[in-house]
Amino acid sequence: DVKVTQSSRYLVKRTGEKVFLECVQDMDHENMFWYRQDPGLGLRLIYFSYDVKMKEKGDIPEGYSVSREKKERFSLILESASTNQTSMYLCASSRQGYNQPQHFGDGTRLSIL
Amino acid sequence: AQKITQTQPGMFVQEKEAVTLDCTYDTSDQSYGLFWYKQPSSGEMIFLIYQGSYDEQNATEGRYSLNFQKARKSANLVISASQLGDSAMYFCAMREGLIKAAGNKLTFGGGTRVLVKP
Repeated sequence: DVKVTQSSRYLVKRTGEKVFLECVQDMDHENMFWYRQDPGLGLRLIYFSYDVKMKEKGDIPEGYSVSREKKERFSLILESASTNQTSMYLCASSRQGYNQPQHFGDGTRLSIL
Repeated sequence: AQKITQTQPGMFVQEKEAVTLDCTYDTSDQSYGLFWYKQPSSGEMIFLIYQGSYDEQNATEGRYSLNFQKARKSANLVISASQLGDSAMYFCAMREGLIKAAGNKLTFGGGTRVLVKP
């Protein structure tokens, strides 16, 4: 079974802090993704990576950065957290291939006070 | 314009009955894929079923089937014999274009909440 592990289920931080969300997958997947999920808006892609050290902006990258130094780990960084970044964050991974589904972690509910 | 539209924000279904969740999509690509995911209240996203644009048969996975109407650009999910555990949010998602180096990113719809009544 594919396992995507997010480092925290719940996280509370203060505005202006630098926040790190970590994601690890154990299936040697090439692709990794970070989404945020807000009520009524579905999932929106922040960044994705298709190889180590490679990254691509998604639909809402502003205020975020990412790091992929190893194939199994994909980190999302909030450079200076703001209250509008309070959200559920979901990490996913997948193999390359047009029919390959993304496999998701359990999510991190982040609150910025 | 929305690329994936799920027009039903929420619906009730009686246990053991079938339910159809609507999904329409917008793309100019000839090659694309459609995915359905389930998200229970616990939060994890669970992959249910996949339909490729060139697949001639409608996809099926156990109690899940996909009513794929390419000309109408719709990919409705059918859940047969609903169970209480089917109560969840359901998301339709699309992957556009052929896979090159840029990964198979998905665009998600807004979701439909299903509540199964005993």
